[in-house]
Amino acid sequence: DAKTTQPPSMDCAEGRAANLPCNHSTISGNEYVYWYRQIHSQGPQYIIHGLKNNETNEMASLIITEDRKSSTLILPHATLRDTAVYYCIVRYFGNEKLTFGTGTRLTIIP
Amino acid sequence: DVKVTQSSRYLVKRTGEKVFLECVQDMDHENMFWYRQDPGLGLRLIYFSYDVKMKEKGDIPEGYSVSREKKERFSLILESASTNQTSMYLCASSLSWGAPPGDEQFFGPGTRLTVL
Repeated sequence: DAKTTQPPSMDCAEGRAANLPCNHSTISGNEYVYWYRQIHSQGPQYIIHGLKNNETNEMASLIITEDRKSSTLILPHATLRDTAVYYCIVRYFGNEKLTFGTGTRLTIIP
Repeated sequence: DVKVTQSSRYLVKRTGEKVFLECVQDMDHENMFWYRQDPGLGLRLIYFSYDVKMKEKGDIPEGYSVSREKKERFSLILESASTNQTSMYLCASSLSWGAPPGDEQFFGPGTRLTVL
């Protein structure tokens, strides 16, 4: 699986959009981008995934660049409950494993 | 909603004890996973199972074994607990094999194990 690079920490004001970047410059054509988050003292929670098109669900939007070497997770109106560690994971079709890095610790500021 | 439950939130054991960590999922998922999480190291896969009585080693299987006798239950066994197995243990399950959608993993709340 391709390796990902994320900033170790970010702050965002409550009510603003939180934009979390992820670099995956060695991604191959059949690898998907997944995002999970882990709120303190809980297990990770799936957020969204994509292959090459932008994706949106009730939790977030995922923007993948045209060359697929980077992506951005967008939480449109961040709340205090969005404070968590966010993991960007690249995974190829048929691989059952998720390889978690150390993620980005996002703090939402009141 | 998918629910993944783990038998204990906190567990304290002594060195050399045999430890069982239980995980149950209620959504008929084929795949189940055991991870451990340590500060600075992220989550690391210990073992996974894609069917009853089937198991595959993950990245760090040494010192652990697993059992899956029923589809909904996946047990992690520490045959002889050691202090370096003090960690947060997380169980997860997923529905399908490999391809999204439907392959996202659902995690339990974790068991914080301390080995003295």
